[in-house]
Amino acid sequence: NAGVTQTPKFRVLKTGQSMTLLCAQDMNHEYMYWYRQDPGMGLRLIHYSVGEGTTAKGEVPDGYNVSRLKKQNFLLGLESAAPSQTSVYFCASTDNTGNSGANVLTFGAGSRLTVL
Amino acid sequence: QKEVEQDPGPLSVPEGAIVSLNCTYSNSAFQYFMWYRQYSRKGPELLMYTYSSGNKEDGRFTAQVDKSSKYISLFIRDSQPSDSATYLCAPKRTGGFKTIFGAGTRLFVKA
Repeated sequence: NAGVTQTPKFRVLKTGQSMTLLCAQDMNHEYMYWYRQDPGMGLRLIHYSVGEGTTAKGEVPDGYNVSRLKKQNFLLGLESAAPSQTSVYFCASTDNTGNSGANVLTFGAGSRLTVL
Repeated sequence: QKEVEQDPGPLSVPEGAIVSLNCTYSNSAFQYFMWYRQYSRKGPELLMYTYSSGNKEDGRFTAQVDKSSKYISLFIRDSQPSDSATYLCAPKRTGGFKTIFGAGTRLFVKA
């Protein structure tokens, strides 16, 4: 049982380049999330999805796009990377059964992105 | 005002010390209060959570919520070097889709 898998783990981009981060989960979770983590700022929610084909904006959505074409995958895209998007990106998933109110998150190991 | 405030530290303590980690929050609709632990270069993992006010104990860890003052605490007894990590408080309201995180407190336990 792999849980939440993020690819790639590391990436260096030049300003203006585009890229896609892939998140895959094998737990049949309905909800998926993309967070970014910066020193002293904690985890900030970029976008999230409450089911296949749905997406919604979080706290810091500007400069990012997402897609959830399949239930198990949640893609985060950067169309034109900027140095301000240098960060560690975490994908997380949860279901809405069992501990339905808490919605405990299962996180991936993170993707470290540097934009030069 | 941020919805969740947490001192990022770092906090350095000797092995065996009692550690107190704290957060404050502003949204009175929060009912679930999670603590996640994150080791260096890893993803966060749930440590424990409480519902509404009161205490919850799990081994050396105790989570405490005071909704009247909007104050969340995590106590670690007999701290060990393996407890060295970043601890993130994460409150959530019932029925909501989003979990909000504090900045995380970085803890170092020295042997």
